Parts: sequence; C-alpha cells; structure tokens
Amino acid sequence: DTAVSQTPKYLVTQMGNDKSIKCEQNLGHDTMYWYKQDSKKFLKIMFSYNNKELIINETVPNRFSPKSPDKAHLNLHINSLELGDSAVYFCASSQHGQLLSGNTIYFGEGSWLTVV
Amino acid sequence: TQLLEQSPQFLSIQEGENLTVYCNSSSVFSSLQWYRQEPGEGPVLLVTVVTGGEVKKLKRLTFQFGDARKDSSLHITAAQPGDTGLYLCAANLDSSNTGKLIFGQGTTLQVKP
Repeated sequence: DTAVSQTPKYLVTQMGNDKSIKCEQNLGHDTMYWYKQDSKKFLKIMFSYNNKELIINETVPNRFSPKSPDKAHLNLHINSLELGDSAVYFCASSQHGQLLSGNTIYFGEGSWLTVV
Repeated sequence: TQLLEQSPQFLSIQEGENLTVYCNSSSVFSSLQWYRQEPGEGPVLLVTVVTGGEVKKLKRLTFQFGDARKDSSLHITAAQPGDTGLYLCAANLDSSNTGKLIFGQGTTLQVKP
C-alpha cells in the first residue's frame, strides 16, 4: 500500500480552468503538506495542516485552496489556472509538525500539472 | 535570494569515484535533512542532523553538520549508478521546529557505469 497517494499523477489543462488534486495518507499521521516543485527542481512549501487545521500558508495566491475533510486527506483545489502554475505538486505527511526526534516527512509521488 | 545554497548543481562522474555535495547558509538551522529524489518520485528522507559537528553514516554516504549549524555536506564513497538522482538538503529555520522545510535548489548526480 502506498503511504501517501495523490491523484491524478498527470494533468494537462487549459488556462482558466479549475482543477483539483487529491491526497490521502494511510500512515495515521496528524500533519499533511502541499509542496510545489518548479521546472528547476526547486521545492517550496505551500500549505500545512495539522489535524484538519491550517498551520502554514506560504503566501500562496488565493486561487489555491486546500481542503482537509479529515486528517487523512488534504486536497488542493486551483481556480483560474495560469501558465505559471505548471509544476509538480507534492503532497506529504508527518506524524506531527515537529521535525526533530526522528519525525519524518513522507512525500507522495507527485502530480505533474501542465497548463496550456 | 536562496536561503540554502547547494553546490554543485550538477555532477556527472564515473562509477567508483567519490564526491561531496555541499549545503550552505548564513542562517543557523535547528535541524537539517538530506533527501534523494529519483525521476517520477517524491523526495525520500536519507538523514536528519541536529547537533553541530554531528556525523552520520548511511552505508557509503557520510553526512556532516557544521559546528555552527549553518552548513552541511554529503560525501559518497565509491559511487554507483544506483546513486543517481537529485539530492536535496532541507533545513528547518523555524525555532518552533514545524514542518516548514526550506529546500536547497538540489544537486543532480549522474553516476555512469
């Protein structure tokens, strides 16, 4: 079983469309994240949720709206897609939000979004 | 401005060679992690270092955390084609140690047989 799974893996869509990426973790973790990796492989945090509560929002445009229906799921909805939104979006989870003491972040396999 | 500077950005070597990747910053980290990412996959954690001067070994990989906790290095001995991938350092600059990781721009390593 995949620990952190996200769908779809590939998404090609036109500018202006609205799309969602879903993420689920079966690790029983309390904290989930969305990261964005650009074409230069630079990985940057977008959002973090702890037990369905938003704890990190890194000045992402409000066209991006995360939704956490329960602590095992963190979906990402993007409105009015722009060319610059093309990237790989990674969902991740960790036992809790504290990164010391061996608390590991587990990443999903990524969702390749291409806006044309 | 990149908070974490990785060097080199690209490295292509022959199987059996040694290499070192560096991760530097002017900031002090509460912890630093190294990840490896293979094509089509998400990053996978290799190690977390917390204490200044700490050295950790993972088979042929040696990780060192600088004494001042501002820099780190990853040394690979006798590289193998299976070591090929993108190596990312990530630091937790937040004193509350949240999951807000700051990543370096990565080092793409190619090991040729």
